Amino acid sequence: EIVMTQSPATLSVSPGERATLSCRASQSVSSNLAWYQQKPGQAPRLLIYGASTRATGIPARFSGSGSGTEFTLTISSLQSEDFAVYYCQQYNNWPRRTFGQGTKVEIK
Amino acid sequence: QVQLQESGPGLVKPSQTLSLTCTVSGGSISSGGYYWSWIRQHPGKGLEWIGYIYYSGSTYYNPSLKSRVTISVDTSKNQFSLKLSSVTAADTAVYYCARGPDYFDYWGQGTLVTVSS
Repeated sequence: EIVMTQSPATLSVSPGERATLSCRASQSVSSNLAWYQQKPGQAPRLLIYGASTRATGIPARFSGSGSGTEFTLTISSLQSEDFAVYYCQQYNNWPRRTFGQGTKVEIK
Repeated sequence: QVQLQESGPGLVKPSQTLSLTCTVSGGSISSGGYYWSWIRQHPGKGLEWIGYIYYSGSTYYNPSLKSRVTISVDTSKNQFSLKLSSVTAADTAVYYCARGPDYFDYWGQGTLVTVSS
């Protein structure tokens, strides 16, 4: 099983500031990595796939980077609607898909 | 726009079988190219992939749940279903259906299933 580890567990950021979230895989997943945003009481929403490709309708302030075992999600200027929990997920290992434990982005 | 909707009992007794159905609208399960998935989230926790089904009936399950999970498809109703047997309190979670197989681009809103006597 590929284990995904996210850091930090909680990130306190002021609106308008930049947020940088990390995700590490226990073995290489190439660029087969997705990021999701989840707000309370809602299903996860796909933000990024292929490590860096924004999903349909996702604002340009969200960007993803990395390959292999180290990945980053950057939110360039946090808006009020961006405070949520973010998950990474690998899809390199067929068929088993695994998620990170999440990073909560909260208002500082 | 593809939409998914979970349905089923919100309360299941220990040792019984959890049964949920996901109804897909806005697209046909039979059109191919996608695997229809179940994912769960324990209260306040992260996400766990349960398994997939293809419209042909091919299935793939999480090894940690494989002995208790059955996923089936009914293409005539554009639905797929989850059965999880011998449930315990540890199976209490929000259950989501989603479209895969790599990343999950469409999700249902989720349904909370509580295992309790």
